[in-house]
Amino acid sequence: DTGVSQNPRHKITKRGQNVTFRCDPISEHNRLYWYRQTLGQGPEFLTYFQNEAQLEKSRLLSDRFSAERPKGSFSTLEIQRTEQGDSAMYLCASSTDRASYNEQFFGPGTRLTVL
Amino acid sequence: DQQVKQNSPSLSVQEGRISILNCDYTNSMFDYFLWYKKYPAEGPTFLISISSIKDKNEDGRFTVFLNKSAKHLSLHIVPSQPGDSAVYFCAASGDSGYALNFGKGTSLLVTP
Repeated sequence: DTGVSQNPRHKITKRGQNVTFRCDPISEHNRLYWYRQTLGQGPEFLTYFQNEAQLEKSRLLSDRFSAERPKGSFSTLEIQRTEQGDSAMYLCASSTDRASYNEQFFGPGTRLTVL
Repeated sequence: DQQVKQNSPSLSVQEGRISILNCDYTNSMFDYFLWYKKYPAEGPTFLISISSIKDKNEDGRFTVFLNKSAKHLSLHIVPSQPGDSAVYFCAASGDSGYALNFGKGTSLLVTP
């Protein structure tokens, strides 16, 4: 399978703990995006990488959130001192800069539950 | 503020009939509009897209129509099949950067 993969698929943590998610994009895609989706809402943009450079960050990305893409391939999203409001589905997407209409291809997501 | 709006949370259609899903947007700077389909426990799957310079794009059973003056787009599925039952998201981008702005989705149920 050459699609976007995300690990873990599910994460349950206690409030105040740190969590880290991983995303492996489609191999030839140089753009990588993180979104968050809560119940009844569409995905909300968090941040975007072009290769290893983080070029856009949403105001939703508080200082407890950090994302990296050190070698321009996989990416990690870390949430420090988790809060119950962080419970959501975290989606990763990738695309190529040759995309005609900015079409992005999503992974299956990591569902985070903060107790 | 929600720049992309899908005002119908759900839609039920009989198999073989046309499904029409609607989407409105507020930002006239959007360049690209996309539709995604989402099944439970999966990520959104790209379905079809349209540029702001076009008013129609067709791909098999799926057609997207864009009315720029009304800031409205719609997705037509003809004929509808039970496997089309999913949540459909409208998304737009282009005013700045590459972020996709999503609506809240419309849950489509196609009944046999």
